[in-house]
Amino acid sequence: EPEVTQTPSHQVTQMGQEVILRCVPISNHLYFYWYRQILGQKVEFLVSFYNNEISEKSEIFDDQFSVERPDGSNFTLKIRSTKLEDSAMYFCASSEAGINQPQHFGDGTRLSIL
Amino acid sequence: GESVGLHLPTLSVQEGDNSIINCAYSNSASDYFIWYKQESGKGPQFIIDIRSNMDKRQGQRVTVLLNKTVKHLSLQIAATQPGDSAVYFCAETKGGYQKVTFGTGTKLQVIP
Repeated sequence: EPEVTQTPSHQVTQMGQEVILRCVPISNHLYFYWYRQILGQKVEFLVSFYNNEISEKSEIFDDQFSVERPDGSNFTLKIRSTKLEDSAMYFCASSEAGINQPQHFGDGTRLSIL
Repeated sequence: GESVGLHLPTLSVQEGDNSIINCAYSNSASDYFIWYKQESGKGPQFIIDIRSNMDKRQGQRVTVLLNKTVKHLSLQIAATQPGDSAVYFCAETKGGYQKVTFGTGTKLQVIP
């Protein structure tokens, strides 16, 4: 069964440094998403991306965050200057259509900011 | 530092019994609902979905019931197995939007 893959599984970064999280969505999917889950808390939506543009974003997704689809397979989340409170699990997801279709999630990248 | 997390409700079920996990949603504009299963160290795994024009949908060993009148969603798992032990999240989307809003989750413990 096709799956979303994310790398690395764990990223440790000094506060203030830039970090890029990588994802390979399911190949025939057209919509891509990032979510985060702070330890012990709910999964929270960050951003959705379609046709090389952001289609929705939450208030969490501020100017420190950016997303990109640099080629036909990868989808990345960049955090420009990391803060301690950015420590969380970051999940990538993809779906065939933008609404009324299940989003399929990867196993996440654990981001630890020191 | 210590992280303050949400207290997860826990459901303990004997292996072989049926499980029912409940969820209340608050947004009456939500029109698509999904149940996800999350095992430790893994991402949310899609189980079953239902649109707001339906009140019941069945999958393999799972059934989702939707009651829009009281904004309630339930997941029934038949013949619960040890591999069903996980945290289960209900999730919803509002009409025309892609953002999925997750609930707080219920931890299912299967007693062998």
